[in-house]
Amino acid sequence: KNEVEQSPQNLTAQEGEFITINCSYSVGISALHWLQQHPGGGIVSLFMLSSGKKKHGRLIATINIQEKHSSLHITASHPRDSAVYICAAHEWGAQKLVFGQGTRLTINP
Amino acid sequence: NAGVTQTPKFRVLKTGQSMTLLCAQDMNHEYMYWYRQDPGMGLRLIHYSVGEGTTAKGEVPDGYNVSRLKKQNFLLGLESAAPSQTSVYFCASSWGAPGQPQHFGDGTRLSIL
Repeated sequence: KNEVEQSPQNLTAQEGEFITINCSYSVGISALHWLQQHPGGGIVSLFMLSSGKKKHGRLIATINIQEKHSSLHITASHPRDSAVYICAAHEWGAQKLVFGQGTRLTINP
Repeated sequence: NAGVTQTPKFRVLKTGQSMTLLCAQDMNHEYMYWYRQDPGMGLRLIHYSVGEGTTAKGEVPDGYNVSRLKKQNFLLGLESAAPSQTSVYFCASSWGAPGQPQHFGDGTRLSIL
């Protein structure tokens, strides 16, 4: 079993819908990252969380440390949000991130 | 400000050939990483460096070597390429430990025939 599990693996929605992607992890972490990978392949960091909630535009990331769970929400989704979203956990004291397998999001016009 | 630049972007090799992938960052970051990304699997760490002149093994280091002679460059070498090394390779850098945001290059798509 992966230390970081994402769900769903694939998600297709209509433009305007509210999107939720989930990430569960099994280790104690110092930070949880959300990344976005566009069809062209480039990867960008969206959020780094250690507690609570962060918001950037239409994207919101939350984390519940006790439940070892994080969610990425997209409000008023748009076709340009179509991408693979990846969560990654940094375990305390570790020199690496552990990555989930990614969630492929497709937003249809 | 280019960020993290990887060269080449694409390469096809024959089994047994060698090659070096170059990663260059202009953000004065201490930490640099090499990952591979395969279908159905998350990014996996090959090797990493916590500063100039240092390297360390990640979770899938076999068949790869690295060097960090200059702070801004991190080289990944394949001494004798194998089909199992067909993958997309990403370089990343961060100013601090992996808990800090990482900046990624655009990736190198490598095929070993």
